Amino acid sequence: GQNIDQPTEMTATEGAIVQINCTYQTSGFNGLFWYQQHAGEAPTFLSYNVLDGLEEKGRFSSFLSRSKGYSYLLLKELQMKDSASYLCAVRDSWGQNFVFGPGTRLSVLP
Amino acid sequence: DTAVSQTPKYLVTQMGNDKSIKCEQNLGHDTMYWYKQDSKKFLKIMFSYNNKELIINETVPNRFSPKSPDKAHLNLHINSLELGDSAVYFCASSQGLAIDTQYFGPGTRLTVL
Repeated sequence: GQNIDQPTEMTATEGAIVQINCTYQTSGFNGLFWYQQHAGEAPTFLSYNVLDGLEEKGRFSSFLSRSKGYSYLLLKELQMKDSASYLCAVRDSWGQNFVFGPGTRLSVLP
Repeated sequence: DTAVSQTPKYLVTQMGNDKSIKCEQNLGHDTMYWYKQDSKKFLKIMFSYNNKELIINETVPNRFSPKSPDKAHLNLHINSLELGDSAVYFCASSQGLAIDTQYFGPGTRLTVL
C-alpha cells in the first residue's frame, strides 16, 4: 500500500527555524517532492530528493533517508509569508504515480 | 506568461449535470495530470497523460474522462455529477517521465448542489 504521514499542524515564530517531517511507505520509490500551498492557491514546487542527504535552496532545505522512509523540510529565518500548507509527495518506481501526504499547515506568528 | 491555465476557476452546478474543465499548458511539457483535492485537503492524482496516451488511471469513477486533443491540452469531462464530486480540481504538467517536477494550474473549484 501507499502511506505518507506528516504532522497536521505546526506553529512557529517569525525568524525561527522549523522542521516538518514526512514518513512514507510506498510500493516503490523514485523521488520525494515538497510543495508549498497557500490557502486557495495551487501547490508550488519547493524541492526534490532522490538520493540520501540534504538539498539546500536558500532558506529551504530538504533531507532524505531512503532506508528509513523519512524526509524533512527545514525552513530557516521564517517569514509571515511562509504560513501555508507543506505537502510531501512520493513518486513511485513506475515514475508517473505521485502519492501526496495530507499536508502540514504551518502558522508563522509575529 | 501563464504556464498552466484552467477554465473555469469556479463551477457551480446541479447534481446529474455534465460538465467539463479545460486545461492548457504553454511549457512544451510531455505529460499532463488531473488531481482532485477534497475538503480535507488531500491531493489525489486522477489521470496522467503522456504524448496523448493515458499512463495511469487511478480508481476514479468512469463518469470522469480525460480528453487530450493535443499535447498542450488535457480536458476533464464529468458526467452525471454527484455531491461527492465537489472539490478543487488541479491540472498539472511535467516534462517527460524522468526527474522533473510538476507545475500546477490555479485550480477549479467545483460545487455540486
